[in-house]
Amino acid sequence: AQSVTQPDARVTVSEGASLQLRCKYSSSGTPYLFWYVQYPRQGLQLLLKYYSGDPVVQGVNGFEAEFSKSNSSFHLRKASVHWSDSAVYFCVLSAGSGTYQRFGTGTKLQVVP
Amino acid sequence: DAGVTQTPRHEVAEKGQTIILKCEPVSGHNDLFWYRQTKIQGLELLSYFRSKSLMEDGGAFKDRFKAEMLNSSFSTLKIQPTEPKDSAVYLCASRLGTNSGNTLYFGEGSRLIVV
Repeated sequence: AQSVTQPDARVTVSEGASLQLRCKYSSSGTPYLFWYVQYPRQGLQLLLKYYSGDPVVQGVNGFEAEFSKSNSSFHLRKASVHWSDSAVYFCVLSAGSGTYQRFGTGTKLQVVP
Repeated sequence: DAGVTQTPRHEVAEKGQTIILKCEPVSGHNDLFWYRQTKIQGLELLSYFRSKSLMEDGGAFKDRFKAEMLNSSFSTLKIQPTEPKDSAVYLCASRLGTNSGNTLYFGEGSRLIVV
């Protein structure tokens, strides 16, 4: 069975601080993993994706994520957050050609002054 | 290139009305998805088309929800009859093909309120 869990519904971080958003996955095959971001009143946009190779993958706006097969995790990180990073972040799993993507429940990030 | 276009952006309907939401995918994309987004349930898959063929119909949504893809550049989602619990944001997304690594491109959504 394929599933994605984002254990934190909300995260509040001070501007300039570092960030980690957690994601755990379950997949019977080799997964594609994605992080998407949704800004208020907008659709979702791709931040980054991973399939193979270097377990640390770089994305847009200074985001990166680290894949861990042993921990079944794909956590999102940023060294220094900006107020404009306030949004909802979705971890997404895709496994198997032709299948649709499974979305986590999302983590709402609030960046405070 | 144009992204995914959804219309209308906002809709207010009375209970029992029929609503049609529209989506134009990215040109050349073969896969199209409809999702419903609510704060409680998050993103729920309503339907998945591959090259205009319906691949997934979102099980629980068969009753009053019908998605169609009349051609490769246009899809509709009909809700008939609407109920207050259908109030949500409806997102349309497309991707190039069935490769699992292909990125989903989302529209800005249609916000439906049923009173």
